Amino acid sequence: DSGVTQTPKHLITATGQRVTLRCSPRSGDLSVYWYQQSLDQGLQFLIQYYNGEERAKGNILERFSAQQFPDLHSELNLSSLELGDSALYFCASSVGGKNSPLHFGNGTRLTVT
Amino acid sequence: AQKVTQAQTEISVVEKEDVTLDCVYETRDTTYYLFWYKQPPSGELVFLIRRNSFDEQNEISGRYSWNFQKSTSSFNFTITASQVVDSAVYFCALSEWGNQGGKLIFGQGTELSVKP
Repeated sequence: DSGVTQTPKHLITATGQRVTLRCSPRSGDLSVYWYQQSLDQGLQFLIQYYNGEERAKGNILERFSAQQFPDLHSELNLSSLELGDSALYFCASSVGGKNSPLHFGNGTRLTVT
Repeated sequence: AQKVTQAQTEISVVEKEDVTLDCVYETRDTTYYLFWYKQPPSGELVFLIRRNSFDEQNEISGRYSWNFQKSTSSFNFTITASQVVDSAVYFCALSEWGNQGGKLIFGQGTELSVKP
């Protein structure tokens, strides 16, 4: 058990809808990362937060947004969903810093129909 | 640009065979960190090892060993006497960091299948 909690585990929704994925980092970790894993794109970095502030951004679509709250949990909001957004979304946390391993949650599997 | 290449998409071995998973990376940083992760069929990503660029000593942990060679930009992973439970997708990753924050860049993964 990595100590990172993601909810829900599975999400099935229709095109055009909006969903929110939730992540609680490991105790003591200040950094939260979001990744998308799909068959064709592999593990793609979306965004990083450190202690409530956005610190790094990857190829995150404008339809997607995230935030980290004062209690350090994070949410990833996906809107105007398309079929191609179906993927496994991982949250990870670390203490922060270049040498810190990321500890991943079990992921949220999103299916857009 | 930073990049991680795992040229082996799939490997299939029979139990008790040794297997090596290759990882080649590209980076302009002089100090960098490399990682290996395991993704079993259940889907979670499990951290296996971290190696920094100024420590080229090989590392062994049980049946797992890692060979880091800066001269060839490689960080290969060997499983000795493979077991069925080793069946998983294995990812090599490189830390990319700016002034404020960063991320891990992952290779495409190598799917290892260990047959009884």
